Formats: sequence, structure tokens, C-alpha cells
Amino acid sequence: GAGVSQTPSNKVTEKGKYVELRCDPISGHTALYWYRQSLGQGPEFLIYFQGTGAADDSGLPNDRFFAVRPEGSVSTLKIQRTERGDSAVYLCASSQISNFRGSTDTQYFGPGTRLTVL
Amino acid sequence: KNEVEQSPQNLTAQEGEFITINCSYSVGISALHWLQQHPGGGIVSLFMLSSGKKKHGRLIATINIQEKHSSLHITASHPRDSAVYICAVDGNEKLTFGTGTRLTIIP
Repeated sequence: GAGVSQTPSNKVTEKGKYVELRCDPISGHTALYWYRQSLGQGPEFLIYFQGTGAADDSGLPNDRFFAVRPEGSVSTLKIQRTERGDSAVYLCASSQISNFRGSTDTQYFGPGTRLTVL
Repeated sequence: KNEVEQSPQNLTAQEGEFITINCSYSVGISALHWLQQHPGGGIVSLFMLSSGKKKHGRLIATINIQEKHSSLHITASHPRDSAVYICAVDGNEKLTFGTGTRLTIIP
């Protein structure tokens, strides 16, 4: 596809359940980012991948959150033992390059996954 | 104090008016991004700039690195410009976002 895609678009789950959110970046983009956006707020950084490795996971709120990108393309954000406070829109973005000591390239955002924890 | 602050938080204007949205930041950055988010959540990158000024159609973005300030201008505003405009600063390979400015253009 032409852009970043995310699935599912909406996910409703019960407190304590496990969820997986998927991101398909633009083909050839080496950098992939996960963000979380709560209602009325700007996005908040969670984790950034350069290729297959997590270059910066300092934004993950706690050890219930984990993300992988095993082949350097598709990424999955995994949330264990979900809590009501995890409810938010989870955004994925990709960019062509990202230099470790320089600036990122323009980021292209997916439509997001709206997670609701009941 | 947030690292990125935008003003105003909300802006309502008549069609055709000149719009200015401001962004101030407190950290060192390598670039600043302006993003547009429409209802439903889709985010579109408008500009990435590290100095001076960029123009695309009716949109103009400027940045003053010394003053740690950027502005986004919209000329001849139109109802389809109604959206949330988000400023994000780029430091250490990750973006830090402002809370956004909700712009409503009334026909």
C-alpha cells in the first residue's frame, strides 16, 4: 500500500486482557515509531525502531508494554494486563531514514488504533 | 512546564482570514515539525524545518532557532483548513509534541 496502515482500527477489550496492535510501515522505511494519544492531548512517544532493533524505548510507560519488529518491517505493540488508563489512540509512523545523532526524516503517520479498555 | 507549548489552544476565524499559530519550545532541537490532524485521527506532516521559512500553497512555516519559536501561517483560510495543528520538536531521534491548536474556520 501507499501509506502506513494499522490494524485493528478499533479494539475494545476488558481490563486485564492482552492486546496486540499491528503497524505496517511504508515499504523501505527503516525507522518506525509508536505513539500514544489520549483525548485532547498531543501524541506521546512510546518507542522507536531502527530496522529490527528498538533504538529508544524510553517512552514505554511500564513493563506491561512491549513492541517488536522482527523482520524490520511490520511492528506489533503488545500490551499485557490492560488497564483502563491504557485507553487511547495508538499511532504508528514510519520514516525513510533516521540518523542516530541527527534528525529524523519526515514521518508518515498511520490512521491509528483506538483502544478502549472497559 | 511542557517542553513544547502552542498558542492559542483554540482558534475560530472567518473564512478568508489570515491565521497564525505559535509554537515555543525549551529544549535543543535538530528540527521542528508541523502536523495536521483531522477529526478521526489521521495525521499529516505539513512541514519539517530547521531554519528560516518554508511555504507550501497557502501554508507558511517559520522558525527562529535563537528564540526557540516557530509559527504556522495560513493565508486565505478556508473551512477545509479546520483541523488540529500540532507542533512537534525533533531531538534525540524522537518527537516531542505540543498539545495542538484546534482551528475552526467558519464559512
